[in-house]
Amino acid sequence: AQKITQTQPGMFVQEKEAVTLDCTYDTSDPSYGLFWYKQPSSGEMIFLIYQGSYDQQNATEGRYSLNFQKARKSANLVISASQLGDSAMYFCAMREKNYGQNFVFGPGTRLSVLP
Amino acid sequence: EPEVTQTPSHQVTQMGQEVILRCVPISNHLYFYWYRQILGQKVEFLVSFYNNEISEKSEIFDDQFSVERPDGSNFTLKIRSTKLEDSAMYFCASSELRGQKETQYFGPGTRLLVL
Repeated sequence: AQKITQTQPGMFVQEKEAVTLDCTYDTSDPSYGLFWYKQPSSGEMIFLIYQGSYDQQNATEGRYSLNFQKARKSANLVISASQLGDSAMYFCAMREKNYGQNFVFGPGTRLSVLP
Repeated sequence: EPEVTQTPSHQVTQMGQEVILRCVPISNHLYFYWYRQILGQKVEFLVSFYNNEISEKSEIFDDQFSVERPDGSNFTLKIRSTKLEDSAMYFCASSELRGQKETQYFGPGTRLLVL
């Protein structure tokens, strides 16, 4: 079974608009971390934002925020005021405390920002 | 800002040849990882390394793979006898501490092409 699901293979958004990228996860571990990474066409993986399973508030980092709904096991990334440079692949990843220290990645969502 | 570096950025090799991919993790980090991403697919965990030994490995990381920290700065991934299906982007990552909150910082990747 997939541990991380990203149901949107591709998304389009108009410049300056907000966009939500979906991520749902599956774990029985009560302690876990959720991460979002951006991968531009150049290939590198850039860390964007982190949400802990025990965090009471949704994480925010500049224009990035995470809509964390624990009961639904979803951790959607919200990008506000999209910029052309936001066009990239976006990966949701999870790390479970009791299942090792490696990340499990989702299949990614390709975001295209339109001028 | 400190960053993970990887060399070479691109490597082309013949099937059956040995390759060594090199990484320099962030200097005060203690945990090191290798991931791979086959073209168009998600990022997959290969191996994690701590205190000069492998702490976890995935089923992808078979006997053809090995990792080493030959000195205080480098972290290498060796593929003994490359196969066509080893063609992928290989990412090195490092983290300072162990724990589900710890962000892993990724290098820019090495794109390996096996002919």
